Amino acid sequence: KAGVTQTPRYLIKTRGQQVTLSCSPISGHRSVSWYQQTPGQGLQFLFEYFSETQRNKGNFPGRFSGRQFSNSRSEMNVSTLELGDSALYLCASSLVGRFYGYTFGSGTRLTVV
Amino acid sequence: EDKVVQSPLSLVVHEGDTVTLNCSYEVTNFRSLLWYKQEKKAPTFLFMLTSSGIEKKSGRLSSILDKKELFSILNITATQTGDSAVYLCAVEAAGGGADGLTFGKGTHLIIQP
Repeated sequence: KAGVTQTPRYLIKTRGQQVTLSCSPISGHRSVSWYQQTPGQGLQFLFEYFSETQRNKGNFPGRFSGRQFSNSRSEMNVSTLELGDSALYLCASSLVGRFYGYTFGSGTRLTVV
Repeated sequence: EDKVVQSPLSLVVHEGDTVTLNCSYEVTNFRSLLWYKQEKKAPTFLFMLTSSGIEKKSGRLSSILDKKELFSILNITATQTGDSAVYLCAVEAAGGGADGLTFGKGTHLIIQP
């Protein structure tokens, strides 16, 4: 079956712009989580969505937001981009109950210049 | 605040050696501990451990959890060059919490031929 699909794979944006990243989970997975990965901080939790509702949110500023659609696809948005937002953004999906681990997508590499 | 510490941060061994990677954690309402392998972008799921003392095995990889001492180890026997990767340890709190998965910084493992 298809894995977690993230688009686009690479993105270059200018400071002050905004960006939208997309994540399509594995079919049947209703939970989608987003993570930011940087060399200095490692993988950090952004937020999690389940059935179109944000269930959990990490310690990131309000410029980072997300949503989930009825087909479980999710988007995350970053407004007013800063240089420090350059990172690999990873999306993970899981089955309800979460005892099956989380499956990650290949990520979107965002570079802010 | 939940916390995961992995050691060593990097490790270089020769093909055929056995390695042990360490993960210690502090988490409120522990639910599970997960191990991932990250080669290029997408972390791939290795193990999920929820009960203490039970060893999970998959081929040359195995992992065990000690909930009393709050740590886990990942063993790789008869290492191969294809095992070269960053190995990530993460913990999940029961009830989801605000932290999603909390990851360690990872162990960068290099297997020399």
